[in-house]
Amino acid sequence: DAGVTQSPTHLIKTRGQQVTLRCSPKSGHDTVSWYQQALGQGPQFIFQYYEEEERQRGNFPDRFSGHQFPNYSSELNVNALLLGDSALYLCASSRASVYEQYFGPGTRLTVT
Amino acid sequence: SQQGEEDPQALSIQEGENATMNCSYKTSINNLQWYRQNSGRGLVHLILIRSNEREKHSGRLRVTLDTSKKSSSLLITASRAADTASYFCATARGGTASKLTFGTGTRLQVTL
Repeated sequence: DAGVTQSPTHLIKTRGQQVTLRCSPKSGHDTVSWYQQALGQGPQFIFQYYEEEERQRGNFPDRFSGHQFPNYSSELNVNALLLGDSALYLCASSRASVYEQYFGPGTRLTVT
Repeated sequence: SQQGEEDPQALSIQEGENATMNCSYKTSINNLQWYRQNSGRGLVHLILIRSNEREKHSGRLRVTLDTSKKSSSLLITASRAADTASYFCATARGGTASKLTFGTGTRLQVTL
């Protein structure tokens, strides 16, 4: 049973560009959350998708947007990249009926 | 923003010793979870303790929760080199699949 998968593994972008990160949830999971983890810090919640709708959102600007597809996979889009957006982006999946969340390996984004 | 802090920030012990790390948080919670992260990659769920529980065990792990002090501790007994990782506590205020608010993490180094 495949766990949570994310692509790409690494990404280098230039300031002002746009980026799309992808996540496939664990089989049987219907809820996807995205987190940003800066170097040396704990992950910070960006937003969560359930039934193709954004259900919860953290304190991130509108430059961060997302989408969930009918197969429960999800994308995170970041527009007008800033140097401060350099981080590890983690996707977590879960079932809406349980507490535990399962994390993918992350996408490391570097903005130059 | 981070929910709280872990203490110590870094811990170095020898194989076979016990490792204890503490987590403090700021608001009322539904549950608290501990995660492990190896080399800045994805997080692995270790254990969940609900707000009405005081102690929980899983293999070599023992977690305690004191909601009056808004604190938790994770004890790893008989540490192994493979336990070397960063450990994060994460709190959830809402129900199932609620967003997680992470602490700053403890870096554990277990040497032979």
